[in-house]
Amino acid sequence: QSALTQPASVSGSPGQSITISCTGTNSDVGSYNLVSWYQQHPGKAPKLMIYEGSDRPSGVSNRFSGSKSGNTASLTISGLQVEDEADYYCCSYAGSTTFWVFGGGTKLTVL
Amino acid sequence: EVQLVESGGGLVQPGGSLKLSCAASGFTFSGSPMHWVRQASGKGLEWVGRIRSKADSYATAYAASVKGRFTISRDESKNTAYLQMNSLKIEDTAVYYCTRDFGYNAFDIWGQGTMVAVSS
Repeated sequence: QSALTQPASVSGSPGQSITISCTGTNSDVGSYNLVSWYQQHPGKAPKLMIYEGSDRPSGVSNRFSGSKSGNTASLTISGLQVEDEADYYCCSYAGSTTFWVFGGGTKLTVL
Repeated sequence: EVQLVESGGGLVQPGGSLKLSCAASGFTFSGSPMHWVRQASGKGLEWVGRIRSKADSYATAYAASVKGRFTISRDESKNTAYLQMNSLKIEDTAVYYCTRDFGYNAFDIWGQGTMVAVSS
């Protein structure tokens, strides 16, 4: 069982927007603004999409955005494209005992 | 080109040992905290551990599932990080990725991964 809870799957049509939630506790997501999001295509390494909750690395489309409220972080993808179909993982710093925890991952299907 | 290249994976019996390497190029390795993350087949990502830079005394940290069995080290002269895995268990079977923390407690560069299979 993963430390952070994500929905197993979400789906949307091209052009639509979807949101993936990531629920933790006040020991991780709720205590630190250090949630990051990763995209992983089958057989590939993860790719950083969002860091520090809402910042995008250089080169990542502004269709990807992140937010946080309390113990829940969210990743929103607007203007869905076929190539967005992938697994998405959230990750949070969780203090100096547990350090980093990942969510179980969400499979995004673009119909 | 900025990249990380892992090597050293393979098949090992339960209770055995294996040492993975992660060769870095294209960025300042010496100042970068390096992490290991693993992924069992069909499963999610699991943080394994990290080593900080010389400036932070090469401090290490480990997930509870590997603490006492795994050791992370680095060789600045070779721009390489290592993951020494001892007392391997079947549940350690996974693809192991090394990745860089670029200073924002997030991982911006990832290797291609190396497969470790623990089986009798």
